[in-house]
Amino acid sequence: GENVEQHPSTLSVQEGDSAVIKCTYSDSASNYFPWYKQELGKRPQLIIDIRSNVGEKKDQRIAVTLNKTAKHFSLHITETQPEDSAVYFCAATGGTSYGKLTFGQGTILTVHP
Amino acid sequence: SQTIHQWPATLVQPVGSPLSLECTVEGTSNPNLYWYRQAAGRGLQLLFYSVGIGQISSEVPQNLSASRPQDRQFILSSKKLLLSDSGFYLCAWSLDPGQPQHFGDGTRLSIL
Repeated sequence: GENVEQHPSTLSVQEGDSAVIKCTYSDSASNYFPWYKQELGKRPQLIIDIRSNVGEKKDQRIAVTLNKTAKHFSLHITETQPEDSAVYFCAATGGTSYGKLTFGQGTILTVHP
Repeated sequence: SQTIHQWPATLVQPVGSPLSLECTVEGTSNPNLYWYRQAAGRGLQLLFYSVGIGQISSEVPQNLSASRPQDRQFILSSKKLLLSDSGFYLCAWSLDPGQPQHFGDGTRLSIL
């Protein structure tokens, strides 16, 4: 089955800086990669996703890049704000695990004012 | 628009007691439904997956079971809870496999 590794486990930045979270996946047939933001005690919320037929997708301050050859994808947050502080999860699905998301272990992002 | 409801929000149960958690989706038909468990400070683990009424795929061997008695209803059950069943249980839905999954508010389960 699919295996997703996420780094770093914790990330601390100053307000206004950029933050980058990276994930690698094992199944070369995976073709859908969502990112979720989870605030303390709340549900995970989808913030951006990318499919394997594109290399980059952007939504305001958030962007995701995908390198299919290297089997890794990254979340980029620019001009970070304190309200960006949360746990971020990457996930992957496709191929033999079609429809079943495999999640990374999460990154705790802290944005200091 | 579609909405997903989960209840209860919190639950404290003694070891060995039964469990029933319910999830319903509104505003769509024949959704794909999922049960996940999240241990404290950890990622989400897929427990069960359903593509239709009565169709359940179990992902992890355990003492939990799932049922889908109606199109938009998904139930997570146990006959006898273990201490290791503590965690945050999340229900999710999607329109199709490979489409975004959307989560309910979750149930925080504590086993004493």
